[in-house]
Amino acid sequence: DIVMTQSPDSLAVSLGERATINCKSSQNILYSSNNKNYLAWYQVKPGQPPKTLIFWASARESGVPDRFSGSGSGTDFTLTISSLQAEDVAVYYCQQYYSPPLTFGGGTKVEIK
Amino acid sequence: QVQLVQSGVEVKKPGASVKVSCKASGYTFTDYYIHWVRQAPGQGLEWMGTISPGGAGSSYAEKFRGRVTMIRDTSTNTVYMELTNLRSDDTAFYYCARDCCDTRGYNFPAYWGQGSLVTVSS
Repeated sequence: DIVMTQSPDSLAVSLGERATINCKSSQNILYSSNNKNYLAWYQVKPGQPPKTLIFWASARESGVPDRFSGSGSGTDFTLTISSLQAEDVAVYYCQQYYSPPLTFGGGTKVEIK
Repeated sequence: QVQLVQSGVEVKKPGASVKVSCKASGYTFTDYYIHWVRQAPGQGLEWMGTISPGGAGSSYAEKFRGRVTMIRDTSTNTVYMELTNLRSDDTAFYYCARDCCDTRGYNFPAYWGQGSLVTVSS
């Protein structure tokens, strides 16, 4: 199975400041035939189902604010919230879908400083 | 718009089985895989498996193989996930989620149901 490792486990950021979450896969998840990274990011708020934010490592889901961006390739990926808003307090998960079983990172809790 | 409506709260005893439903609407049911993901209290997300409503089969995570069955009913656009031999650590929210893409295989969960709480307690 591909192991997804996120860091940090939690971070506290001031409103309007940048939040950066890292995700590392134990194997390459870039498919060479289509040059796509099989990585998604999800936001989970208490009492709510997950919300899909980013897919193919950097494509933003419709309706997701442009302060959320994804980057990286191969085994190292980043989710950036460029200007943290109060409603962004949540736990964020990366997930690989390169090969089954689909696996998630352990999650990063984002709070307001 | 894509909607996935799940069944409600279930309370089960250890050793029992549970069957959670997921009714889809707003798209062609047979064109997209449905995933099942669970989240235990205070824990992260865990993929359980996926099923093709179009009949291309299912794929289960090894951890659940032998205890989980996913079936589809095309007459009602509903997918079911049955988990048997329940243990206390199966207590979790169970989510169904539609795949992103109407491709031959499956990719990632894109549209999520509201979740179904399953509590296992003696």
